[in-house]
Amino acid sequence: AQSVTQPDIHITVSEGASLELRCNYSYGATPYLFWYVQSPGQGLQLLLKYFSGDTLVQGIKGFEAEFKRSQSSFNLRKPSVHWSDAAEYFCAVGSTSGTYKYIFGTGTRLKVLA
Amino acid sequence: EAQVTQNPRYLITVTGKKLTVTCSQNMNHEYMSWYRQDPGLGLRQIYYSMNVEVTDKGDVPEGYKVSRKEKRNFPLILESPSPNQTSLYFCASSLSRGPEKLFFGSGTQLSVL
Repeated sequence: AQSVTQPDIHITVSEGASLELRCNYSYGATPYLFWYVQSPGQGLQLLLKYFSGDTLVQGIKGFEAEFKRSQSSFNLRKPSVHWSDAAEYFCAVGSTSGTYKYIFGTGTRLKVLA
Repeated sequence: EAQVTQNPRYLITVTGKKLTVTCSQNMNHEYMSWYRQDPGLGLRQIYYSMNVEVTDKGDVPEGYKVSRKEKRNFPLILESPSPNQTSLYFCASSLSRGPEKLFFGSGTQLSVL
């Protein structure tokens, strides 16, 4: 069955520190992968996506993610976290089999210490 | 401004009283979908629509109905709400049938007493 796992429910980092949020997926074919961010009281906003090609993708707000097929992972990274990055982050898989479904992970809530 | 608009933002109702949550997009998107967000469960897809008059079930469709009579609108209908439908609901749209970037509304917090 298709699934997305975000093993960290909460992560706390200090401002200026580096960040890595983990995402593992289970999917039969090459997936379409996304990272979204949800600020408090807001809808979700796309950070970046991977469809094919270069496995290191750049997104908005200084985020990047790396697709590793051998590990079924798509981890999100940022070299230096800002206080405004505090939010909830969701990894998602988009179906490529014609069912037009999206599967979201359970989210990782990021807290940033000043 | 390109956006997905949901209404209402907050809704408190009682068990069994029919309600509709509206969703409208101004981007001429083909694809629209509804999600519910629950703590510890992330977002789960309720229904989606690939175009006018074309809808299909997502992962948690029980207790919900949708319609797509116009391209811009995709209302979510709860014919007989129950407390287990208390949740945060999001509407989303994308330009094509996907998978594509989803544009999300700001959400509707529903409480069913």
